[in-house]
Amino acid sequence: DVKVTQSSRYLVKRTGEKVFLECVQDMDHENMFWYRQDPGLGLRLIYFSYDVKMKEKGDIPEGYSVSREKKERFSLILESASTNQTSMYLCASSFWDEGANEKLFFGSGTQLSVL
Amino acid sequence: QKEVEQNSGPLSVPEGAIASLNCTYSDRVSQSFFWYRQYSGKSPELIMSIYSNGDKEDGRFTAQLNKASQYVSLLIRDSQPSDSATYLCAVNMNGGFKTIFGAGTRLFVKA
Repeated sequence: DVKVTQSSRYLVKRTGEKVFLECVQDMDHENMFWYRQDPGLGLRLIYFSYDVKMKEKGDIPEGYSVSREKKERFSLILESASTNQTSMYLCASSFWDEGANEKLFFGSGTQLSVL
Repeated sequence: QKEVEQNSGPLSVPEGAIASLNCTYSDRVSQSFFWYRQYSGKSPELIMSIYSNGDKEDGRFTAQLNKASQYVSLLIRDSQPSDSATYLCAVNMNGGFKTIFGAGTRLFVKA
């Protein structure tokens, strides 16, 4: 079974703090993703990475950065946390099947509250 | 217009009935279509994928795709209370890195 592990299930931080969210996958997948999920808005892509040290902006990258130093680990960084970054953060990894169709596997999520 | 649209629900069906979940997408070149199920407080899990027009069946689940109408649906036969969850429609261009999700439809199956 694919395992995507996020380091924290719940996190409470203060405005202005630097926040690190860690994600590790054990299936040697090339691609990794960070989404945030908000009620009524669904999942929105923040950043993704298709190789070590490579990163691409998703739909809502502002206020975030990422790091991928090793294939299995993808970190999301909130440089200066703000209250509008209170959300559920989901990490995912993916592979392409024989038809070049991408399938995502998600971690259990981190519920971040910024006070 | 949102790229992937779903009725947010909630959709309520009695146990044993057929639940029908619908999704439309805006990008005509989209090639891969997925349904993810998300239980409350849990992360999404992939339950169905479909790539060509027509129906694809897997147990009690049937995915239907109509590319001309840019429409994909999920039918759940013999609905069970354990099917109560939010169902996310997702769309990806073939070989692309970006999967776009709908906001999800909440399904309640009443015992």
